[in-house]
Amino acid sequence: AQKVTQAQTEISVVEKEDVTLDCVYETRDTTYYLFWYKQPPSGELVFLIRRNSFDEQNEISGRYSWNFQKSTSSFNFTITASQVVDSAVYFCALSDPRSGGNMLTFGGGTRLMVKP
Amino acid sequence: GAVVSQHPSRVICKSGTSVKIECRSLDFQATTMFWYRQFPKQSLMLMATSNEGSKATYEQGVEKDKFLINHASLTLSTLTVTSAHPEDSSFYICSASSSGGLELFFGEGSRLTVL
Repeated sequence: AQKVTQAQTEISVVEKEDVTLDCVYETRDTTYYLFWYKQPPSGELVFLIRRNSFDEQNEISGRYSWNFQKSTSSFNFTITASQVVDSAVYFCALSDPRSGGNMLTFGGGTRLMVKP
Repeated sequence: GAVVSQHPSRVICKSGTSVKIECRSLDFQATTMFWYRQFPKQSLMLMATSNEGSKATYEQGVEKDKFLINHASLTLSTLTVTSAHPEDSSFYICSASSSGGLELFFGEGSRLTVL
């Protein structure tokens, strides 16, 4: 069975601090995709990244970076120099092999609060 | 980029009534759409997979007679919450994938409140 665990339910930081959101996953598939989404208070899901299981290179996009460690089944997300606008709930998700991998299993989410 | 639109974004209804939520892919054909439910301060849970022209596939524990899904065209799936009760109050989000690829798009969500 697929499972995504985000151990941190809430994190509070002060603006300009760096923060890392953890994500650990379980799957028996050899090919899969990992995702991160941001959900602001308005509710819509904002796509941040999709990572193929064969691509273990870390990725950086502006203040965002992702560390994919297949050996530990982790896909952690770091925000550098956090800003108040980063306050949101962040979800890590894993593609489900059913329906071609477009179905997602979500982690419980991490609520990030960035204080000015 | 591709857009998935949901309507209505918010709906309040009385207990016992039925509510229909639409999910449209605006600039691509979606052979498959997915419906998720998110209770307050919880994660998204997959309810069902909506397949164009065939019956939906429901996840374990989701009542198919209560949550009717219709995917009559390649751009529209509807979720009808029948005889809604307060415990059905939730945020419902759809996603759609374009044919042949792993492009996945989420709608803006529909917040249902049952009084």
